[in-house]
Amino acid sequence: DAMVIQNPRYQVTQFGKPVTLSCSQTLNHNVMYWYQQKSSQAPKLLFHYYDKDFNNEADTPDNFQSRRPNTSFCFLDIRSPGLGDAAMYLCATSTLAGEGGETQYFGPGTRLLVL
Amino acid sequence: GQNIDQPTEMTATEGAIVQINCTYQTSGFNGLFWYQQHAGEAPTFLSYNVLDGLEEKGRFSSFLSRSKGYSYLLLKELQMKDSASYLCAPEYGNKLVFGAGTILRVKS
Repeated sequence: DAMVIQNPRYQVTQFGKPVTLSCSQTLNHNVMYWYQQKSSQAPKLLFHYYDKDFNNEADTPDNFQSRRPNTSFCFLDIRSPGLGDAAMYLCATSTLAGEGGETQYFGPGTRLLVL
Repeated sequence: GQNIDQPTEMTATEGAIVQINCTYQTSGFNGLFWYQQHAGEAPTFLSYNVLDGLEEKGRFSSFLSRSKGYSYLLLKELQMKDSASYLCAPEYGNKLVFGAGTILRVKS
């Protein structure tokens, strides 16, 4: 089945220790998104890729970086995690952006715990 | 921000009908998605409205009024498995802006 896969499902890291979360998709979608969702809050868009074109949200901290080496994979790098970065990180994909109405398909998420 | 407003929590009885309202800012608005999110899981797509009116899809229907900046999700014949958070997500340009969600509790 075509899907969005995130690994790992749970990640524990130490304060200040770099961590990478991964996302892969078999949908062959052009657009990949990373969201941060804290408990009882809305998913917040961090950035997205349209093919290899990177689009950062204005309020995304510099601590968060992303890489998309090919169509299928996208990574979220947190350079120096703080306690406030503990959250669920959701990856999503969609087909061509810009025309509106493109459904985003979400992966199961990675729950990050910072000790 | 786009000031998305939806109730924080609702409770309803199995077999009943419940309506979850959402208001949003109309400037730059394209269309509106509703997603369902069970606790600890990813959001899953329920519906998309771009035109005014009601879109029916099985037990779930979604309504949109573009001029009023208003939408609702209607869930009929509630089942226990419908207990989840329901996220209103208007689209601006090519981006979704999610509301904080309405936690629906279905009781027997």
